[in-house]
Order: sequence, then structure tokens, then C-alpha cells
Amino acid sequence: AQSVTQLDSQVPVFEEAPVELRCNYSSSVSVYLFWYVQYPNQGLQLLLKYLSGSTLVKGINGFEAEFNKSQTSFHLRKPSVHISDTAEYFCAVGRYGGSQGNLIFGKGTKLSVKP
Amino acid sequence: DVKVTQSSRYLVKRTGEKVFLECVQDMDHENMFWYRQDPGLGLRLIYFSYDVKMKEKGDIPEGYSVSREKKERFSLILESASTNQTSMYLCASSSLIARDEQFFGPGTRLTVL
Repeated sequence: AQSVTQLDSQVPVFEEAPVELRCNYSSSVSVYLFWYVQYPNQGLQLLLKYLSGSTLVKGINGFEAEFNKSQTSFHLRKPSVHISDTAEYFCAVGRYGGSQGNLIFGKGTKLSVKP
Repeated sequence: DVKVTQSSRYLVKRTGEKVFLECVQDMDHENMFWYRQDPGLGLRLIYFSYDVKMKEKGDIPEGYSVSREKKERFSLILESASTNQTSMYLCASSSLIARDEQFFGPGTRLTVL
């Protein structure tokens, strides 16, 4: 069965510091991987995605993630965070390899950026 | 600008009431999804639909049903609301071609008293 594990439920960080949000997945088929962001009182929006090709994926707002097949990981990184990055971040894997547009989400990581 | 709208941002209902949550998308998407979001549990899929009048159970369908009579509209129905259905409900849609990206509505926070 496919699954997603986000290793940290909360990550506090100071403004302009680097951050890494960790995500591990389990899948017996080839994977599509995603990071979504949810700002307070809003729905989710896509931050970045890995479908195939280059393992380093760049997304919006300066975020990037690296697909590591051997470690079954897809960690999200940003070299310097802003107060406005405070949000909840969700890692997701395409169910059944992603062929049906159906996603399995992790439990989320709350990023709190402090001045 | 692509848009998924949900009929209410906040809703308060009583135990045993029948509740309708409506979702409309203006992107001509084939796929639509209903999730519930609870603290510490992330998003869990309730039902999804790949076409008009088609529906598939997700991971937690018990206590819910859905209706898709038109392509742009996907309704979630709580036949007899219970307090354990107090949650944030999120609707999403995606296209058949770009199946990977889901577009989300703002959510409906439902409280069942």
C-alpha cells in the first residue's frame, strides 16, 4: 500500500534561516510526488511536483524539493524563509502511481517563521 | 483565473440533520474530490468522481454520500449529521489531461452540535 510520512508535525524557524521539511513515501509503483501549501483560512495550493526527469524540482516562492529514490524521500527546502511562509505544508503521493489523479496526503507540517 | 468555490465557509448544524455541502468549479475539470481535514490527521479522501453521475468511495466514505448531476458541481451529503463529522471539508478538482494537479476550494468548516 502507498503511504506518506511527514516526519515533523511542527517546525519553528527564524526569519531568513534555511528550512527543510521532511517527507518519506512508500510505494511499490513509480511515483508522482507533490508538495502543497495551506495558508491560514485558505484551501491548498500546489507548491511543486515531481513526475519524472530531473530529481531536483523547483517550485513557487523559492521552494525546491529533491526526489531521492533510494531513500524514498522528497524533502522540501528553502534557503531563506520569510514571515509570509508561515503555513501548513502537505506532502502527497499519487495513488496507484498517479494515473488517476488521486492523491494520498501526509498529515502536514506546520511551519512557523518567527521574526 | 481558475476557481473552485464552496457554498459556505462556516456551517453549524444539529445532530441528525441532513447536510449538503456544495462545490462548483469553473475549469471544465472531469475529476472532483471531497476531503475532510482534521488536526494531526491531514487530508483524508471521502469520495471522488471522474465523470458526471460517476462516484467512487475514498478512504472514509462511511456516513457520507455524494451527487454529481452536472460536470461543474459535486455535492457532499451527510444523511444524518453526527458530532464526529465536525471538521473542515475541502473540495478539489483536476483535469483528465493534467491529472496530477488538484485545485482546491477554500473549505467549509462544519460544526455539528
